[in-house]
Amino acid sequence: DIQMTQSPSTLSASVGDRVTITCRASQSISNWLAWYQQRPGKAPKLLIYEASSLESGVPSRFSGSGSGTEFTLTISSLQPDDFATYYCQQYNSYLTWTFGQGTKVEIK
Amino acid sequence: EVQLLESGGGLVQPGGSLRLSCAASGFTFNSYAMSWVRQAPGKGLDWVSTISGIVDTRYYADSVKGRVTISRDNSKNTLYLQMNRLTAEDTAVYYCAKVIRVAETRGGLDYWGQGTLVTVSS
Repeated sequence: DIQMTQSPSTLSASVGDRVTITCRASQSISNWLAWYQQRPGKAPKLLIYEASSLESGVPSRFSGSGSGTEFTLTISSLQPDDFATYYCQQYNSYLTWTFGQGTKVEIK
Repeated sequence: EVQLLESGGGLVQPGGSLRLSCAASGFTFNSYAMSWVRQAPGKGLDWVSTISGIVDTRYYADSVKGRVTISRDNSKNTLYLQMNRLTAEDTAVYYCAKVIRVAETRGGLDYWGQGTLVTVSS
């Protein structure tokens, strides 16, 4: 099975900071990767799909890049609403999908 | 407006069974693959199963294979998850979610329900 490893696990940042989260796959997944934001007690929200496509309605400060085994989610200027946990998800295989363990973005 | 509403969660004893439902509205249900994703208390997201839209193709995580059956009734716009031989490790909030691309079985999950809590305990 494909393993997804996110780093860091926790990130402390301030409003206005540029933030980057990395997700590494244990084998190549082409660009079959999504990023989600989850606030406490809420369902996840899709931010990015196919590694770099911005979901409709998601602010343009969010961007995704990468292919193969290494991917990044960047928030260009962190806003108060962005303090949350972020997950990557691979869907390269039709048989099994995998989420990363999550990255919690905290207020510094 | 797309809406997904899960139901059927609750307290069940180890070894018991439960059927979750997810009522969908606001989109052409039979054109989209649907998934179940769970989240144990304080833990991360865990993909459980996916079913295609029209062609009856189903995929399961190894952790639930043989104990769980995903199904759908396109006439009722409803997704199901039948769970058997439940253990404490199955305790989680279970979300249903819609795959983003029409007629595709894999992809990002663009709409999620609010989740239903399954607690396995004696």
